[in-house]
Amino acid sequence: DVQLVESGGGLVQPGGSLRISCAASGFIFSDHYMDWVRQAPGKGLEWVGRIRKKTNSYTTEYAAPVKGRFIISRDDSENSLYLQMSSLKTEDTAVYFCARVLVSGQHYYLDVWGKGTTVTVSS
Amino acid sequence: DIQMTQSPSSLSAFVGDRVTITCRASQDINNYLVWFQQKAGKAPKPLIYGASNLQSGVPSKFSGSGSGTDFTLIISSLQPEDFATYYCQQYRSYPLTFGGGTKVEIK
Repeated sequence: DVQLVESGGGLVQPGGSLRISCAASGFIFSDHYMDWVRQAPGKGLEWVGRIRKKTNSYTTEYAAPVKGRFIISRDDSENSLYLQMSSLKTEDTAVYFCARVLVSGQHYYLDVWGKGTTVTVSS
Repeated sequence: DIQMTQSPSSLSAFVGDRVTITCRASQDINNYLVWFQQKAGKAPKPLIYGASNLQSGVPSKFSGSGSGTDFTLIISSLQPEDFATYYCQQYRSYPLTFGGGTKVEIK
């Protein structure tokens, strides 16, 4: 079964740091771009960022609200995706989902999602 | 950034009704659009990609159309299990952006 499982969420103070993880199984992780998407309580979906695969030099893209504060990385040997979050703000409070990017011709879309991990930024 | 505007933000319909949700992009995105269904407390699930291609395993009561800036998701015959929030997302350019969502309730 193709599966993504996030972990590492929790309560952190404003200005603090946290690293969350996503463990992949059931597919060749190294063949796929991977994304993070978040959802604040009672709100819609917000794309956080993307990391490409090795053949694309593991390059990354970020949404403006997190650029310079969040870093996406991956360890293909461990089938794991990471999101290092620093200088956290209360508005970063959300459920964080990792998602696999599927390529179908010219279409790159998120086809498999984890269940999410909750990050709460509060004093 | 490309803004995605969905309408309506919520709707209520009877079982068996045909339901239409629209999504408008602030600029031309060709057909680089995906529709997701999200049930409460769950992860989103893709329904349609490339504006009109049915994702594997998704029932044919879901269909999508459109190109350029205007897109439509149709549920041909609404069933109780379709109670959910639906989101469009463009992947034409970064940052990827989502519509605000359409909450579908069953009357």
